[in-house]
Amino acid sequence: DIQMTQSPSSLSASVGDRVTITCRASQSISSYLNWYQQKPGKAPKLLIYAASSLQSGVPSRFSGSGSGTDFTLTISSLQPEDFATYYCQQSYSTPSFGPGTKVDIK
Amino acid sequence: QVTLRESGPALVKPTQTLTLTCTFSGFSLSTSGMCVSWIRQPPGKALEWLALIDWDDDKYYSTSLKTRLTISKDTSKNQVVLTMTNMDPVDTATYYCARIRAPSGDCLHDAFDIWGQGTMVTVSS
Repeated sequence: DIQMTQSPSSLSASVGDRVTITCRASQSISSYLNWYQQKPGKAPKLLIYAASSLQSGVPSRFSGSGSGTDFTLTISSLQPEDFATYYCQQSYSTPSFGPGTKVDIK
Repeated sequence: QVTLRESGPALVKPTQTLTLTCTFSGFSLSTSGMCVSWIRQPPGKALEWLALIDWDDDKYYSTSLKTRLTISKDTSKNQVVLTMTNMDPVDTATYYCARIRAPSGDCLHDAFDIWGQGTMVTVSS
């Protein structure tokens, strides 16, 4: 099974900050990497699929990059509604998720 | 509009079998490239993928849980059912169903684009 790790596990940031979250796979997964946002008590929401494709309706301040084993989710200018937990998920083989990165208010 | 809704017992006893139903609308599981998956999340913890079924009735299971899981579909009712045997308190979690739409025809290569709201299951005697 493919293991996913994320860093950092949490971060504190201010509105307007540029935020970067890293995800790493235990083996090459090409570009089969997806990012989700989850707010407390809510289901996850797809943000980015295939490493860099923006899901319909997701603001353009969210972007993804990477291939192989190393991937990045970037929020260009953090907004109040972006405080949440972010998960990466590989879709190269049977799915697996990263442990999550919690983004909270500084 | 695509929606999914999970239903099932809120409380089960240890050793019992859990049966969860995902009822969906806005798409058909008989359409090529459509799939439904189950994912769970223990309180305060990360997401864990459980099982997936596709339009062609192919089924995939978590390696660590496959001996306890069965996924099935009823296309006429727009439902997907997950059973998990021998429940334990560590299985306490919110259980989600989610759709995958796979233009390539390979659901393992695509993302979960629409999720249900989740149903909380507590395992306790």
